[in-house]
Amino acid sequence: SAVISQKPSRDICQRGTSLTIQCQVDSQVTMMFWYRQQPGQSLTLIATANQGSEATYESGFVIDKFPISRPNLTFSTLTVSNMSPEDSSIYLCSVRGPGETQYFGPGTRLLVL
Amino acid sequence: DAKTTQPPSMDCAEGRAANLPCNHSTISGNEYVYWYRQIHSQGPQYIIHGLKNNETNEMASLIITEDRKSSTLILPHATLRDTAVYYCIVRGRFNAGGTSYGKLTFGQGTILTVHP
Repeated sequence: SAVISQKPSRDICQRGTSLTIQCQVDSQVTMMFWYRQQPGQSLTLIATANQGSEATYESGFVIDKFPISRPNLTFSTLTVSNMSPEDSSIYLCSVRGPGETQYFGPGTRLLVL
Repeated sequence: DAKTTQPPSMDCAEGRAANLPCNHSTISGNEYVYWYRQIHSQGPQYIIHGLKNNETNEMASLIITEDRKSSTLILPHATLRDTAVYYCIVRGRFNAGGTSYGKLTFGQGTILTVHP
């Protein structure tokens, strides 16, 4: 399975600021995904990030709020822009593994005050 | 992708088998059944997946009914560390090029509590 790391693991931020979350994978992967898990809720897909193309966003998520970069096959970033307390969540990176598998990183816990 | 139905919670005694059911009556022929679990808001952990045949790995067994409308995840000897939220998800395959996919859509899952 792929080993996925995220930075930071947690952060406390002030409203109106932005935070960039990094996702690093120990092997080259074609597809990377970003999910959000709001407190007490299940996971929701934000967008899919394929190397060399623009990220594809799910309904309810826009590039201006959640810009994503995918500069190579082992790395991606998600930025949470102009944060409000409603953005307090766990943000999770996920990657396609071998065959039909998909793996998740440990998550970034964000609290916006 | 087809929707799944799971019981909201289950209990299991430590050392016994935990059998977690999942209904997916609208599953289509090219859709896989996936199981993940999430412990203490950590990232979801992949457990197992299958298409038609029963599958087994070091963590669990997946039993899929012949009509594929339901499945059961079996943890053969549950431990306290298996207490988690278990998600059953149905998803279509990645295409041959790997750039199109069926989404992993998470429901509320089953809260499994393993007690001494």
